[in-house]
Amino acid sequence: AIQLTQSPSSLSASVGERVTITCRASPGIYGGLAWYQQKPGKSPKLLIYDASTLESGVPSRFSGSGFGTEFTLTISNLQPEDLATYYCQQFNIYPHTFGQGTRLEIE
Amino acid sequence: QVQLQESGPGLVKPSETLSLTCTVSDFSITASYFWGWIRQPPGKGLEWIGNIYHSGTTLANPSLKSLFTLSMDTSKNQFSLRLASVTAADTAVYYCARRNGGGYFDFWGQGILVTVSS
Repeated sequence: AIQLTQSPSSLSASVGERVTITCRASPGIYGGLAWYQQKPGKSPKLLIYDASTLESGVPSRFSGSGFGTEFTLTISNLQPEDLATYYCQQFNIYPHTFGQGTRLEIE
Repeated sequence: QVQLQESGPGLVKPSETLSLTCTVSDFSITASYFWGWIRQPPGKGLEWIGNIYHSGTTLANPSLKSLFTLSMDTSKNQFSLRLASVTAADTAVYYCARRNGGGYFDFWGQGILVTVSS
C-alpha cells in the first residue's frame, strides 16, 4: 500500500500568516492526491484534488502542488476559521490511504 | 447537492455484528460513481474501509481482513456496511461518502459514532 506521511503533525500560526503542510508518498504516485479539511466535530471537506485543483467554493487562499513523492498544501492569509486538521489522501491506487493528519492551531 | 446520512446503532457488544446504512438524497446511487465507507477512531486519523459500485463491484481495504461486507439497495437509494465479530478496536466514527469519478471523496455524511462495549 502507498504510505502517506504528513509533516508537521501539528503547527500553530497567526492570522494573516502563510502555512505549508507537506505530504510525502512512498512509493511515489502521479497526481492522484487530494487534501481534506476536518474541523472539530465535523466530517472531512474536500479542498483540493488532482494535487492542485481547487474544489468549487473553496477559498483561493488554499492551494496545492506537487507530483510523485512530495506534495504540499499552502494556506495563505490564514483566517481563524482555518482551525482544523488537514489530511492528504491518494486515490489512484488501491487501497486508498490517508496521511495521519496535520493539526493547525491559530495563535 | 448530494446529501448522505449514516444510520445504525450507536452501541454494539463485542463479538456481535455491526450494521450501518447510508441513505443518499438528491442523487441516484445508480449513477456512475463509487460509494465509500471511511472510519475514524476517536482522536485518530481516517481509515478507508471500502467502496461499492451500483453493479455490485466492491473494493475493500485488505488490511481489514475481509470482515467487512458492502451491499447496496438501489430501490431505497441506500448502501450498507456490515462488520462481523466487532472488537473495541472497531469503535470509531463511521462516514459514508461519494467517490467522484476522479477518485476522491467529494461528498460526505455527517458520520455516526459506533462504540463497541459490553
